[in-house]
Amino acid sequence: EVQLVESGGYLVQPGGSLRLSCAASGFIFSSYEMNWVRQAPGKGLDWVSYISSSGSTKYYADSVRGRFIISRDNAKNSLYLQMDSLRVEDTAVYYCAAGWRHFEYWGQGTLVTVSS
Amino acid sequence: DIQMTQSPSTLSTSVGDRVTITCRASQSISSWLAWYQQKPGKAPKLLIYKASSLQSGVPSRFSGSGSGTEFTLIISSLHPDDFATYYCQQYNSYSWTFGQGTKVEIK
Repeated sequence: EVQLVESGGYLVQPGGSLRLSCAASGFIFSSYEMNWVRQAPGKGLDWVSYISSSGSTKYYADSVRGRFIISRDNAKNSLYLQMDSLRVEDTAVYYCAAGWRHFEYWGQGTLVTVSS
Repeated sequence: DIQMTQSPSTLSTSVGDRVTITCRASQSISSWLAWYQQKPGKAPKLLIYKASSLQSGVPSRFSGSGSGTEFTLIISSLHPDDFATYYCQQYNSYSWTFGQGTKVEIK
């Protein structure tokens, strides 16, 4: 059974940092491109970041470029998102999602709240 | 960036009805269009990819069509489990964008 389990979401003050993790199992993690997608409360879905299967290629949405860093450890079947200089508008459920042109597998999400 | 516009935003409908949701891209995306279903408090679920390919395990009452800038998701006969929000998503040159969503609710 495919599983993606996110963790690391928390309440943080504006300007603070968080590191999200996503643990994968049930599929060949090292063969899949991975992404982070977020959803603000009551809103739609927004793609955040992409990383290639090897980790050598990364892309970011304009809204997070320069503040967030995506990475992966294929030996640990894990995906990460380092989030710095957090803003109130970054408040959302963050999902990890596997796939390139479309997102085949999704985790259950982890809630990040940025508030003073 | 490519913008995706879904219509309608909300659809009030009944079990057994045929449902059609449209997604328009601001520029051509060939067939790189996917559809997802999301229920409250749950992660999205992939239904259709590459505009018309049915994801494994998804019931055949779901179908997708279109290319270029106009795409359609059809549910041939709505089941009780289908009341949810549906999103389209495009891929183009390492940029991904979702539509704003269509909520399918009980009339």
